[in-house]
Amino acid sequence: DSGVTQTPKHLITATGQRVTLRCSPRSGDLSVYWYQQSLDQGLQFLIQYYNGEERAKGNILERFSAQQFPDLHSELNLSSLELGDSALYFCASSVAGGSNQPQHFGDGTRLSIL
Amino acid sequence: GENVEQHPSTLSVQEGDSAVIKCTYSDSASNYFPWYKQELGKRPQLIIDIRSNVGEKKDQRIAVTLNKTAKHFSLHITETQPEDSAVYFCAASISGTYKYIFGTGTRLKVLA
Repeated sequence: DSGVTQTPKHLITATGQRVTLRCSPRSGDLSVYWYQQSLDQGLQFLIQYYNGEERAKGNILERFSAQQFPDLHSELNLSSLELGDSALYFCASSVAGGSNQPQHFGDGTRLSIL
Repeated sequence: GENVEQHPSTLSVQEGDSAVIKCTYSDSASNYFPWYKQELGKRPQLIIDIRSNVGEKKDQRIAVTLNKTAKHFSLHITETQPEDSAVYFCAASISGTYKYIFGTGTRLKVLA
């Protein structure tokens, strides 16, 4: 158990819909990262938050957005869903926001678009 | 842009043999290099990491070596066991940013 909690574990929805994925970081961690992993693919960095503020952006689509709340949990919002958005979405957290910090991953949310 | 190349993409070894996975990075200022193991359908787990001020680090059957001059680092697994079968990802920090970049992964199969 990494201490990072992601909900829901599975999500099935249709094209055009909107979903929200939730992540609670490990106790004491201030930074949250979101990654997308398509079938048999690598980890694509989407976005990072540190103590409520956006810190870094990766290849995140305009249809996707995220935020980190005062209690440090984070939500990733995916809208106008397309078939290609089907993937595992991982959240990771670290103590601080630097690139030289270990990141600890949650169990992921498996999103299936029908 | 910055990138990390990882080789091989697949690796099969006999149980008890050693496995070596290599990564090459492009950012000469990278200073942190973690390795993750991901079993099928599960989360990536940090198994070992190394910082640029160290040339080698060991943890039981796992070791990582870093060659800053050549800008490459390697994961070594000795006395492999079937439970070592997984996908392994290397990563390197990107200087001037708050993130690191992952390699494309190596699928390791340990044959009993």
